[in-house]
Amino acid sequence: AQTVTQSQPEMSVQEAETVTLSCTYDTSENNYYLFWYKQPPSRQMILVIRQEAYKQQNATENRFSVNFQKAAKSFSLKISDSQLGDTAMYFCAFAPTAGGTSYGKLTFGQGTILTVHP
Amino acid sequence: EAQVTQNPRYLITVTGKKLTVTCSQNMNHEYMSWYRQDPGLGLRQIYYSMNVEVTDKGDVPEGYKVSRKEKRNFPLILESPSPNQTSLYFCASRNTGNTEAFFGQGTRLTVV
Repeated sequence: AQTVTQSQPEMSVQEAETVTLSCTYDTSENNYYLFWYKQPPSRQMILVIRQEAYKQQNATENRFSVNFQKAAKSFSLKISDSQLGDTAMYFCAFAPTAGGTSYGKLTFGQGTILTVHP
Repeated sequence: EAQVTQNPRYLITVTGKKLTVTCSQNMNHEYMSWYRQDPGLGLRQIYYSMNVEVTDKGDVPEGYKVSRKEKRNFPLILESPSPNQTSLYFCASRNTGNTEAFFGQGTRLTVV
């Protein structure tokens, strides 16, 4: 079974500054995907960024980037030039690839509430 | 437009009164699942389905039922709701290539 842990229940940052959200996971799978999802007050779940475990290069999507440390089982999200619209709950998630023992299961962390202050 | 549609968005019901939350996707995804979201616990998987007539339990299946008679639909059934099932529920779908999961708009359920 896999677990995902987000140890920061709440974070805050000033507009235009950089913030990093932490995520660690535990699994016996060798091949998997990691995701960060954003949930604004509207409750909609929005994919922010995705990382494939077999790729060593860290994923980047505009102002969002990850620091993926496979050996340490760590997957942090960095938000640069924070904007007011980044205020939301952020979830880290794990999914084994096809053929894994838990294929089909997307496991989420507890979430981190991020507030961007003007 | 590719989407996952859940209904209703909000529901208040009484203990013991059977209810169904519907979920439909138009992307021909094989994989569908239900989650509940509770403060401090993140999203926990209730049930998932790999394809038509194939369903399996997630982490918190007690008190819930599902069915997958058609590829596009995956309803969540609460036969006898209890107050501890008060929560925010999400349906999600994705294809077997492990791309992103697409989520419905969520259903806020209150059981009194």
